[in-house]
Amino acid sequence: AQTVTQSQPEMSVQEAETVTLSCTYDTSENNYYLFWYKQPPSRQMILVIRQEAYKQQNATENRFSVNFQKAAKSFSLKISDSQLGDTAMYFCAFIPDSNYQLIWGAGTKLIIKP
Amino acid sequence: ETGVTQTPRHLVMGMTNKKSLKCEQHLGHNAMYWYKQSAKKPLELMFVYNFKEQTENNSVPSRFSPECPNSSHLFLHLHTLQPEDSALYLCASSQGTRGETQYFGPGTRLLVL
Repeated sequence: AQTVTQSQPEMSVQEAETVTLSCTYDTSENNYYLFWYKQPPSRQMILVIRQEAYKQQNATENRFSVNFQKAAKSFSLKISDSQLGDTAMYFCAFIPDSNYQLIWGAGTKLIIKP
Repeated sequence: ETGVTQTPRHLVMGMTNKKSLKCEQHLGHNAMYWYKQSAKKPLELMFVYNFKEQTENNSVPSRFSPECPNSSHLFLHLHTLQPEDSALYLCASSQGTRGETQYFGPGTRLLVL
């Protein structure tokens, strides 16, 4: 079975700190894509970052970067210089290249404190 | 309008009502999806349409009826719902279906009384 595990149900950090959200997944596929989505209180699901499994280089988007360890099936998200607007639920997900169904984790609630 | 829009944003309905949720994508995508998000549960994929053709019905009860008249519009028709159907219903779209990034609308918060 293909699964995504986010082991941290909730985290909180002070504004401007760096925080890392963990994600592990299980799949027998070799080609797939990994995502982090953010869902703030407004409920809009927003793409944060995408990583292709065949790329060794870790994806970055401004203050957001990932640590992708394919052999360990690990895909953590690092948020640098955290801001109050980063407060949200963060979901890790992946989709095999052969399929269209996103496999979702249960989410991590991140609270940025002023 | 840009991205993916959904209307209404909030809906309260009785179990005997019939209502419809609407989704529209302005991204030129070919695939559209309906998801259900309940509290403390992972997102559940309900339906997938690719080029207006339904490619997935994830064992969804028949009281949910999707309609995709074209690649830009997706509806979810609701009738005789149950209180446990109360949830956030999210629409998403992607360029294709295999390995593609999905972009989401703001969702419709549904309460069934």
